[in-house]
Amino acid sequence: DTAVSQTPKYLVTQMGNDKSIKCEQNLGHDTMYWYKQDSKKFLKIMFSYNNKELIINETVPNRFSPKSPDKAHLNLHINSLELGDSAVYFCASSQAGTSDQTQYFGPGTRLTVL
Amino acid sequence: AQSVTQPDIHITVSEGASLELRCNYSYGATPYLFWYVQSPGQGLQLLLKYFSGDTLVQGIKGFEAEFKRSQSSFNLRKPSVHWSDAAEYFCAVGNYGQNFVFGPGTRLSVLP
Repeated sequence: DTAVSQTPKYLVTQMGNDKSIKCEQNLGHDTMYWYKQDSKKFLKIMFSYNNKELIINETVPNRFSPKSPDKAHLNLHINSLELGDSAVYFCASSQAGTSDQTQYFGPGTRLTVL
Repeated sequence: AQSVTQPDIHITVSEGASLELRCNYSYGATPYLFWYVQSPGQGLQLLLKYFSGDTLVQGIKGFEAEFKRSQSSFNLRKPSVHWSDAAEYFCAVGNYGQNFVFGPGTRLSVLP
């Protein structure tokens, strides 16, 4: 059973398009995250959601909008895609309010903007 | 501000040799420390973590790491490397209610 899953695994699209990436976790966690990994493998947090509320928004362009229909899902919608958005996007989850702050990661979505 | 450094961008070892990957952090409080591994084209898998207690922690795949507060380090070790260990390794630091900060990663290559 996959703990954190993302769809699609690969996404190739043209500049200017709008696209979404979906994330689901079956760990019962209440906090979910989106990370961006650039071509140099550097990981940077973009957003985190706790109990369906955005609690961190790390100065990403407002073309990126996370949406959480429930605490098991955190989707990432991107408007007006740009070349610089090409990267691997990782979803992760953890349980707040406990001593175990481990984040569990999905397999990633490789986005290529042409 | 929190930060994590991994001084070695790329390390090459021979299969069967020992391995140590370095991680240094800057953090205002007692940190939670993690090592993750990313195989090519894959997501991040947790190798081990330190929250408190024994400063030598054991992880999966025969890895261990030692927390040294005086040196602000959390180095990852393995006594005998296997070809399947070739991957990217990330050290991360965080704390209760705080964001993770990841290091830049160390790429491990294994020679047959």
